[in-house]
Amino acid sequence: DIQMTQSPSTLSASVGDRVTITCRASHSISRWLAWYQQKPGKAPKLLICDASSLESGVPSRFSGSESGTDFTLTISSLQPDDFATYYCQQYKDYPLTFGGGTKVEIK
Amino acid sequence: EVQLVESGGGLVQPGGSLTLSCSASEINVSNNYMSWVRQAPGKGLEWVSTLYSGGSTYYSESVKGRFTISRHTSKNTVFLQMESLRPEDTAVYFCARALDEVRGVYFDYWGQGSLVTVSS
Repeated sequence: DIQMTQSPSTLSASVGDRVTITCRASHSISRWLAWYQQKPGKAPKLLICDASSLESGVPSRFSGSESGTDFTLTISSLQPDDFATYYCQQYKDYPLTFGGGTKVEIK
Repeated sequence: EVQLVESGGGLVQPGGSLTLSCSASEINVSNNYMSWVRQAPGKGLEWVSTLYSGGSTYYSESVKGRFTISRHTSKNTVFLQMESLRPEDTAVYFCARALDEVRGVYFDYWGQGSLVTVSS
């Protein structure tokens, strides 16, 4: 199985901050990685697929990048609506696996 | 607007059975890769099962042999039949859509979730 190690598990930040979340795959997954945002009591929302392709309607302050087996989600300027939990997911192989999540909290 | 609506969750005793339904609108479940993803209380996301448009099915090891994914074309509904339920199956179960294998099995549409509680 491909393990996805996400860090940090919790992140405290202020509005306007630049935020970076990392996901490391245990094996090569090429660019088969998605990022989701989830708010309490709600379903996850797709932000990015193929490591860096922004889903339609997602603000441009969100971006994704890849370097080998390390993947990064960056929020360039954190907005009040961005306080949520973020998950990565690999879809290179079954079983599909998610990272453990990063909760972005208000500092 | 694409909508996925889950139903069928509830309280069930360990060893019991339950079937979840996911009714779709504005998409055809037969032409998409439909999946179930679960989330235990306070925990992260866990993929459960995927049904390909061609009929192939995939399951996580934790549910293989106990859960069955299927669809009813005319009702445009996907099901998750769960048997031999365990307390660790307690979770909100989300129905989700992936486009196809070529673009990759990631999920662009999700239902609101259905809570399954396994407890005596």
